Amino acid sequence: EPEVTQTPSHQVTQMGQEVILRCVPISNHLYFYWYRQILGQKVEFLVSFYNNEISEKSEIFDDQFSVERPDGSNFTLKIRSTKLEDSAMYFCASRGRRMNTEAFFGQGTRLTVV
Amino acid sequence: DAKTTQPNSMESNEEEPVHLPCNHSTISGTDYIHWYRQLPSQGPEYVIHGLTSNVNNRMASLAIAEDRKSSTLILHRATLRDAAVYYCIFHTGNQFYFGTGTSLTVIP
Repeated sequence: EPEVTQTPSHQVTQMGQEVILRCVPISNHLYFYWYRQILGQKVEFLVSFYNNEISEKSEIFDDQFSVERPDGSNFTLKIRSTKLEDSAMYFCASRGRRMNTEAFFGQGTRLTVV
Repeated sequence: DAKTTQPNSMESNEEEPVHLPCNHSTISGTDYIHWYRQLPSQGPEYVIHGLTSNVNNRMASLAIAEDRKSSTLILHRATLRDAAVYYCIFHTGNQFYFGTGTSLTVIP
């Protein structure tokens, strides 16, 4: 069964450093998402991406965040200067063309900012 | 802002049916209702979704109220592997709106 894969599974970084979280969506999917989940809290929307541009973003997705689909297969989330409060699980998701389709989520990257 | 309301937690005995309720009074006519579940340390996993009609698949059934302001996820026979947080979600345009979810405990 096709799946969304995310790397790394766990990343530890120092405050102020840049991190790039990587995702390989399912190959024929067209819509891509990043969500985050702070430990013990609910899943929060960050950004959606379609046709090589951001479709929608939340208040969390400020100037420190950016997304890119550099090579037609990977989908990345970059945090320019990490803060302690960026520590969370980050989930990538993708879905197919039709509106009536489900999203497939990856297993997540645990980001720890120290 | 699309919002869903679910009980924080529920318990079920193993091999009994479970009905997980969700209120979504602000849903619009084109928003799909999705249910996902999340096991500890894993990503959300798709369970079922629908628009107006009740839906069945191998995992569960989804009963949608006629006015679409509420829905119920039905697990026909709970197993220990069904213990998870279940999210009732709107799919509206460009995002899937997660609520706080219901933590389901299955008692052997």
